[in-house]
Amino acid sequence: QVTLRESGPALVKPTQTLTLTCTFSGFSLSTSGMCVSWIRQPPGKALEWLALIDWDDDQYYSTSLKTRITISKDTSKNQVVLTMTNMGPVDTATYYCARSLANWSFDYWGQGTLVTVSS
Amino acid sequence: QSVLTQPPSVSGAPGQRVTISCTGSSSNIGAGYDVHWYQQLPGTAPKLLIYGNSNRPSGVPDRFSGSKSGTSASLAITGLQAEDEADYYCQSYDSSLSVFGGGTKLTVL
Repeated sequence: QVTLRESGPALVKPTQTLTLTCTFSGFSLSTSGMCVSWIRQPPGKALEWLALIDWDDDQYYSTSLKTRITISKDTSKNQVVLTMTNMGPVDTATYYCARSLANWSFDYWGQGTLVTVSS
Repeated sequence: QSVLTQPPSVSGAPGQRVTISCTGSSSNIGAGYDVHWYQQLPGTAPKLLIYGNSNRPSGVPDRFSGSKSGTSASLAITGLQAEDEADYYCQSYDSSLSVFGGGTKLTVL
């Protein structure tokens, strides 16, 4: 079955770079049509899509965050990594990774990881 | 300000029917892109509820249905149950980006 799990620091300081890893199983990112996205949700607020990487290594980024984020994949390890630079308090959120299909729906989600930005 | 607009809240009594709207524009829903819906129960990750405007993944009850017309989409829930109390989000595609609605909190009275 398909599973995804996010991992990374729970606390980062302002101006630091955040690195999150999504480790998945049950599918391969080398299969045509497969994609993985990162989505975040500040406490009590709405979902915000951040980035997507597809089986062909094409990357897509949120317009508002594209200067700060990078998404990459390691197909052999079944992992997708998100890095976000210059973290600030407004970046405090639960970060989810999710599998995307060609229609850009997110059919499987990780449990999420809460990242707090504070000095 | 979300690209897709949803009402902040809706409510209904058990057994009733409620609808949640999702209004977009000519660059997303109106351009023909699919709308997907997610249910987020308190303290949990979102769950795909409707994909491709009106399709239900396996295991989603047929009390949930989706539709799309023009620049808007709707999620309908019939036979409302207490367990349906959750946040609901619509999502679509816009200029090589994914966009979410601001979310709607459903309260079962």
